Amino acid sequence: GENVEQHPSTLSVQEGDSAVIKCTYSDSASNYFPWYKQELGKGPQLIIDIRSNVGEKKDQRIAVTLNKTAKHFSLHITETQPEDSAVYFCAASEGGSTLGRLYFGRGTQLTVWP
Amino acid sequence: DTEVTQTPKHLVMGMTNKKSLKCEQHMGHRAMYWYKQKAKKPPELMFVYSYEKLSINESVPSRFSPECPNSSLLNLHLHALQPEDSALYLCASSQEQAAGQTGELFFGEGSRLTVL
Repeated sequence: GENVEQHPSTLSVQEGDSAVIKCTYSDSASNYFPWYKQELGKGPQLIIDIRSNVGEKKDQRIAVTLNKTAKHFSLHITETQPEDSAVYFCAASEGGSTLGRLYFGRGTQLTVWP
Repeated sequence: DTEVTQTPKHLVMGMTNKKSLKCEQHMGHRAMYWYKQKAKKPPELMFVYSYEKLSINESVPSRFSPECPNSSLLNLHLHALQPEDSALYLCASSQEQAAGQTGELFFGEGSRLTVL
């Protein structure tokens, strides 16, 4: 099955700085890569996703890049704010699946200091 | 606000109790999921229903029994649980996509279960 590695496990940044979280995956057939934000006591919320036919996607302060050759993808958050503090999970789909079988990374605890 | 609603938000039960977790979505999604999440860990897939039929069972112990009464509802029946089953149980739903395409998962807020 798919194996997703995520780094770093914790990340602390000053408000206004950028944050980058990186993930690698093992199954070259995986074609969907979502990022979830999970705040304390809440369920994961999708913040951005990318499919394998696209190299980069942006949504305001958040961007995701995908390198299919190297099998890695990254989340970039610019101009961080204290409310960005949360656990972030990357995930990769099971290649060829029409169902949402996702393989998650272990998560990154992001703390943004005011 | 999440469009996947889970009840109850918190549940405490003894090892001999029988209880149920409920999940509801009105987005017209035809795939629904149960995930289990332990503290500081990623969600782990338990079950997947597609068009109200069980499609995936990730070798979950029989003390967890899923049920999908209709396309909007998903239940998880609990019986004879162990303390190590204490966790956050997340429900999710997604729309079926074209062949080979995974759909976006929408998660509920979860039901936090404590087994004494």
